[in-house]
Amino acid sequence: AQSVSQHNHHVILSEAASLELGCNYSYGGTVNLFWYVQYPGQHLQLLLKYFSGDPLVKGIKGFEAEFIKSKFSFNLRKPSVQWSDTAEYFCAVTLSGAGSYQLTFGKGTKLSVIP
Amino acid sequence: DTAVSQTPKYLVTQMGNDKSIKCEQNLGHDTMYWYKQDSKKFLKIMFSYNNKELIINETVPNRFSPKSPDKAHLNLHINSLELGDSAVYFCASSQAYDTQYFGPGTRLTVL
Repeated sequence: AQSVSQHNHHVILSEAASLELGCNYSYGGTVNLFWYVQYPGQHLQLLLKYFSGDPLVKGIKGFEAEFIKSKFSFNLRKPSVQWSDTAEYFCAVTLSGAGSYQLTFGKGTKLSVIP
Repeated sequence: DTAVSQTPKYLVTQMGNDKSIKCEQNLGHDTMYWYKQDSKKFLKIMFSYNNKELIINETVPNRFSPKSPDKAHLNLHINSLELGDSAVYFCASSQAYDTQYFGPGTRLTVL
């Protein structure tokens, strides 16, 4: 079964600092990759996703992620964070192809941005 | 318009009670899911229905029973509630195996 590792449990940054959150998955086949964000007290929202094509994907709110197949990684980046980015960030993976409904999540990274 | 909605948003109940959580999606999706988010924020799939057919049934106590009356609804019924059932339960929907969209969650507290 596939698994997802998010190495940073809690990241604390000052506003305007750059952000990179790590995500690695374990599966040798073709995968679809996602980053979701959960703002305090709210539901999960999709930030961005990768299914195929350009490995550098851009999402909402200035976030981007790069899929590096050789490293089984899908790290999330933002050049300059804002206080409003304070949230929990989840990396997730499904197997690519028909019948692959199961979304496996990492344990999440809590981001705290200090004004 | 709310794409995926859940009721209730909060549910506080005593051990041993039976309760239900309802989920509705108006996205026209054919697949719906239930996830459990524990106190450490870890999200785990519980069930999934595709066109009203159960396709994912993870290792969940049989006190939990999902029911899908139609493609737009997926309800979760829990019998004999236990303290360990306290969590936030999220419903989600997708069109086949495309992106999953989540509801606002139901925070269940068992006393």
